[in-house]
Amino acid sequence: ETGVTQSPTHLIKTRGQQVTLRCSSQSGHNTVSWYQQALGQGPPQFIFQYYREEENGRGNFPPRFSGLQFPNYSSELNVNALELDDSALYLCASSRDRGDEKLFFGSGTQLSVL
Amino acid sequence: SQKIEQNSEALNIQEGKTATLTCNYTNYSPAYLQWYRQDPGRGPVFLLLIRENEKEKRKERLKVTFDTTLKQSLFHITASQPADSATYLCALDIMSNTGKLIFGQGTTLQVKP
Repeated sequence: ETGVTQSPTHLIKTRGQQVTLRCSSQSGHNTVSWYQQALGQGPPQFIFQYYREEENGRGNFPPRFSGLQFPNYSSELNVNALELDDSALYLCASSRDRGDEKLFFGSGTQLSVL
Repeated sequence: SQKIEQNSEALNIQEGKTATLTCNYTNYSPAYLQWYRQDPGRGPVFLLLIRENEKEKRKERLKVTFDTTLKQSLFHITASQPADSATYLCALDIMSNTGKLIFGQGTTLQVKP
């Protein structure tokens, strides 16, 4: 167990809708990163990282992917105007600090966009 | 851009043998390299980290080597067991010491009893 929990575990949305995915980091971890992994294939792709409630770097994802981090070690990933290609496993990973190399991943949220 | 390559084909070995997985990278000089294990439908689990100034790292039945000249890391599992069957991912930091990782495609290991 990594101590990182994500909710919901599965979600079905339709194209154009908006979705919010949630993550609870390990206590004491001030950095959270989000990754997208195509269902059943491919590596996790870095979306963005939050450090002390501010975005601290973003991968190659459009602005309709946004996030929030809260003081209580919880965070959210929001995706607006869902597209079919957004169907994926979304992984949250926490670390003690932004320079800490070891990531603790949650089990992910499987999002299906129809 | 950075590129990471792992054995794209699945690796099938017999229980008790040593599994060796390869990770090659280009266009980058990482401060460290990590290996993760991922089971179907689950998030990756951290296994080992090796820094640029380290040649080898061990943890129980796991061993990682890092050759910055060849730009290659080898990951070994000795005395493999069916429970070791999973996908193994290598990962590099996108920018030094930021914790933002870029992952290889992963190698699926199947250990047969």
